[in-house]
Amino acid sequence: GAVVSQHPSRVICKSGTSVKIECRSLDFQATTMFWYRQFPKQSLMLMATSNEGSKATYEQGVEKDKFLINHASLTLSTLTVTSAHPEDSSFYICSARESDRVSEQYFGPGTRLTVT
Amino acid sequence: GNSVTQMEGPVTLSEEAFLTINCTYTATGYPSLFWYVQYPGEGLQLLLKATKADDKGSNKGFEATYRKETTSFHLEKGSVQVSDSAVYFCALSRQAGTALIFGKGTTLSVSS
Repeated sequence: GAVVSQHPSRVICKSGTSVKIECRSLDFQATTMFWYRQFPKQSLMLMATSNEGSKATYEQGVEKDKFLINHASLTLSTLTVTSAHPEDSSFYICSARESDRVSEQYFGPGTRLTVT
Repeated sequence: GNSVTQMEGPVTLSEEAFLTINCTYTATGYPSLFWYVQYPGEGLQLLLKATKADDKGSNKGFEATYRKETTSFHLEKGSVQVSDSAVYFCALSRQAGTALIFGKGTTLSVSS
């Protein structure tokens, strides 16, 4: 089956630094990837939609200058949390939509970000 | 706006018990409905889906029927196993391939 990986799985960083999270589709091409954020005991909230070769589309309330998304290839999207603060601590999950099978999305295992 | 409401957990059952996890939704038009499962330490996996009213999704003994009249998509299984212990998410998408809107998730714990 289709596999999506995320790296790193856990990261701890100091306040004010930037952190990059990678999302890769391992065995399929993904024109579109989605980035979600999950707070404890809360649902996954969509942050942005990432399209290969174009600018990401951000959901209302998500700061695009803080959460930089790059989708430079059909198998890789990155989320960079810039100038991280403790309130950015969360679980970040990506999903990838297979180019040839639009109705299917495959999720990565998530990245736990802790900002101290 | 579009939203998904699912029952609060945790749900604790004995092996072979009957499972129901309630899910209702609010959406314009005709969304597609999904149940995802997340096992400890793993990513979300699609469990089943239904794309139109009265459709029944099923997989691994789990079933859910798309009920437009009650805007519901309740998850059921006749006999749960310890291996079913996981977090279950109900979700909708407004059209094929768009981002998903999730419920808060329900933790299921099955003991032998």
